Formats: sequence, structure tokens, C-alpha cells
Amino acid sequence: EVQMVESGGGLVQPGGSLRLSCTASGFTFNSNAMTWVRQAPGKGLEWVSSTSASGVSTFHRDSVKGRFTISRDNSRNTLYLQLHSLRAEDTAMYYCARTPSEAGTFPYWYFDLRGRGTLVTVSS
Amino acid sequence: QSVLTQPPSVSGAPGQTVTISCSGSSSNIGAGYDVHWYQQFPGTAPKLLIYVNSNRPSGVPDRFSGSKSGASASLAITGLQAEDQADYFCQSYDHSLSGSYVFGTGTTVTVL
Repeated sequence: EVQMVESGGGLVQPGGSLRLSCTASGFTFNSNAMTWVRQAPGKGLEWVSSTSASGVSTFHRDSVKGRFTISRDNSRNTLYLQLHSLRAEDTAMYYCARTPSEAGTFPYWYFDLRGRGTLVTVSS
Repeated sequence: QSVLTQPPSVSGAPGQTVTISCSGSSSNIGAGYDVHWYQQFPGTAPKLLIYVNSNRPSGVPDRFSGSKSGASASLAITGLQAEDQADYFCQSYDHSLSGSYVFGTGTTVTVL
């Protein structure tokens, strides 16, 4: 069974940092592109960052470029999102997602979300 | 704000058909990028419902169907059931500026 468990969220002050983790199981992790999607309270979905299966290629939305970094450790089946210079507008539930290998190459990806997410709250 | 526009809400009686539209532009759906759909129940993660315009993942009932035409896409739920009451989001890619995956504004389906 495909499973993804997000962790690392919490309450942080503006300007602070966090590292989110997503531990995956039930599929061949190193064959799947991975993505972080977030959802602010009561709002819609927003793509944050993606990485290719190898981790060589990474992509970030403009509003997080220079502040967030996506990475992965294929030996640990784990995806990361390093968050720096956090702002109030980064407050959201962060979900990790896999893109099945049959989806092809970027930008033709779609997202299979399975975890419960991890909540990041940026507030003083 | 989202570049894919959906109606805020749609409703229907059990057994009826409801359709959710997803309107894009020449930089996303109209440029040929595929559309995918997600279903979300309160307090849970979104679930992939339709991928590549009209394909259903294993386990998704065939009363859910998707289509795409021009710069728009649609999700139809035929034979509406009470358990279909949820939020639905479309998703595509937009190549304007530096490029980004984009989601629709979301539609709440209410079963009367």
C-alpha cells in the first residue's frame, strides 16, 4: 500500500526556519518525482515545489524561490522541504505527493497525495 | 490567485448528474497541458480522482468522468451519491512567467 507520512511542521516566528520530511513506502521511491503541495486554512490547493526522481532537477513556485529548498534521499525513501525566512502567508498544511512514473517528464506531472499533511503556522 | 476558474458550488439530488467546469487560458489548458482532478473531504488530504483529462485511477468509480476541450475542462458525476459530497479541484500547468503547476479555485458539491 502506498503511504506517505509528513512531519516537521509546527509554530514558528516570522523569519524562522523549519525542515519538513515525508517518509514514503509501498512504491519504488526512486522512480517517482515528488512534490510538496500546501493548503492554507480554509483555502484552495497551491503547488510549492517538485523534484525529479533522481533529485537532479528541482522546481519551485516564484513566491518561495530563494527561501524554500526541496530535496530527497532515495536511500531513505524520504523527501524534504527546507523552509527559511518564513512569512505569515506560508501558514498552511503541507502535503507531499508522488507522481507516478507513467506521468512522463516535467511539466506533465500530476499528484498522488496519500498523507495527512503537516501543519506549518507562522506567527509571532 | 488561481488562474483556473471553477464555480464555487454545485448541487444535485441523489441519482442526478452534476458537472464542474474548469476554465483556463492560452497559457495553461489552452496550450495543451493536461487537466487532472482531485477530491477532498473535510480534514483529509486531496485524492487524485482523474488524471490526464479523462483517466480514472484504480478504485475510482466510473460515475466520475473527465473531459477537456480548448481552454476548458469538465468533471461530471453521474448517478450522484451522498458520499460524493466534497470539494473538487482541477489542476494543470501554466507556462506564463517562470511556469508553475496551478490548481482551480475549487468547487463544493452538495448532495441535496
